[in-house]
Amino acid sequence: GNSVTQMEGPVTLSEEAFLTINCTYTATGYPSLFWYVQYPGEGLQLLLKATKADDKGSNKGFEATYRKETTSFHLEKGSVQVSDSAVYFCALSDQGAQKLVFGQGTRLTINP
Amino acid sequence: DTGVSQNPRHKITKRGQNVTFRCDPISEHNRLYWYRQTLGQGPEFLTYFQNEAQLEKSRLLSDRFSAERPKGSFSTLEIQRTEQGDSAMYLCASSAGGFNYGYTFGSGTRLTVV
Repeated sequence: GNSVTQMEGPVTLSEEAFLTINCTYTATGYPSLFWYVQYPGEGLQLLLKATKADDKGSNKGFEATYRKETTSFHLEKGSVQVSDSAVYFCALSDQGAQKLVFGQGTRLTINP
Repeated sequence: DTGVSQNPRHKITKRGQNVTFRCDPISEHNRLYWYRQTLGQGPEFLTYFQNEAQLEKSRLLSDRFSAERPKGSFSTLEIQRTEQGDSAMYLCASSAGGFNYGYTFGSGTRLTVV
């Protein structure tokens, strides 16, 4: 079945460091890909998405490119802030079904 | 727009008891989803409603679980004869037009079965 594998956390960086969180997927067909973020005590929020190959999603300085050849959707940010500390989830849409398949999440901590 | 509201935020119950959770979606959203999240894992799909019709159920949703959305507005998720393995965060989300529009998630109900 469809699945998402994320880089294991936790990830700890200093402020202004470059961030990459790896995400690879297994899917039949052509899923849409998503990154969700969960801040402490809050619900999951959509961070960005890409609906077809080579699309780049971007939001709040974060970017991810849908790479069909490597089945990847890595999340990047050039300069992280303390406020980016959260858990990040990669997800794909299960084509033909009304559901998202999530990775296990990556906890990110940014130190000042 | 007050977002997706879930109640209660926390529930502690004894094994064997029944529990019910409520989700109030964003008013104009016709799609409503329930997910379950255990510690250190991503959310897992449980069920999906379009208006009042329950259109999809996961195999995770055993016969002890039932969900309703009687008037196409709020939804309830009931777990009968709770087991310790039911301890998890139960998440509700709503959407205006499917996942490509992005879900709006509630903050969840944390269930602890003792």
